[in-house]
Amino acid sequence: EPEVTQTPSHQVTQMGQEVILRCVPISNHLYFYWYRQILGQKVEFLVSFYNNEISEKSEIFDDQFSVERPDGSNFTLKIRSTKLEDSAMYFCASSEARARGTGELFFGEGSRLTVL
Amino acid sequence: GNSVTQMEGPVTLSEEAFLTINCTYTATGYPSLFWYVQYPGEGLQLLLKATKADDKGSNKGFEATYRKETTSFHLEKGSVQVSDSAVYFCARSGGSQGNLIFGKGTKLSVKP
Repeated sequence: EPEVTQTPSHQVTQMGQEVILRCVPISNHLYFYWYRQILGQKVEFLVSFYNNEISEKSEIFDDQFSVERPDGSNFTLKIRSTKLEDSAMYFCASSEARARGTGELFFGEGSRLTVL
Repeated sequence: GNSVTQMEGPVTLSEEAFLTINCTYTATGYPSLFWYVQYPGEGLQLLLKATKADDKGSNKGFEATYRKETTSFHLEKGSVQVSDSAVYFCARSGGSQGNLIFGKGTKLSVKP
């Protein structure tokens, strides 16, 4: 069964360093998402991406964050200069079509980011 | 505001016990409602959904009914199994591109 894959599964970094989290969405999906979950808190929406551009983003997704689809398969989340509060589990998701009202997003297993 | 509130965990049950995980939401309009499940070491998976009031979503013995009058979508299962041990997330539809608004998640542990 097709699945969303994420790498790395866990990354430890120093505050101020750049981090890139990678995702390979399901191949025929057109909509891509990043969510994050700080330990003990809610899963929060960061950004959605369609047709090679950001279609929606939350207030969490500030100038320190960027997303890119550098080739036909990868979807990356970059954090330019990490802060302690960026420590979280980051989930990538994709959906086949515009998921409004249906919400079937397919999630990866998550990348745990620890900022020291 | 737009939010999802679900009962605090962890919930520990014996096999074959009845499960209820409460979930309420706030929203303008009528969002779609979902339960996602995360088994250990895996990503979030859609468990069930309901897209309009009074709809009942069901899957793998789990059920939830979209209650507009109480703005609730409680998850129930009549007889849980050890394999149901996971974290359960209630969610509602959010923005125009299908982003979801999640609750904090409820960890369920089922003991043999």
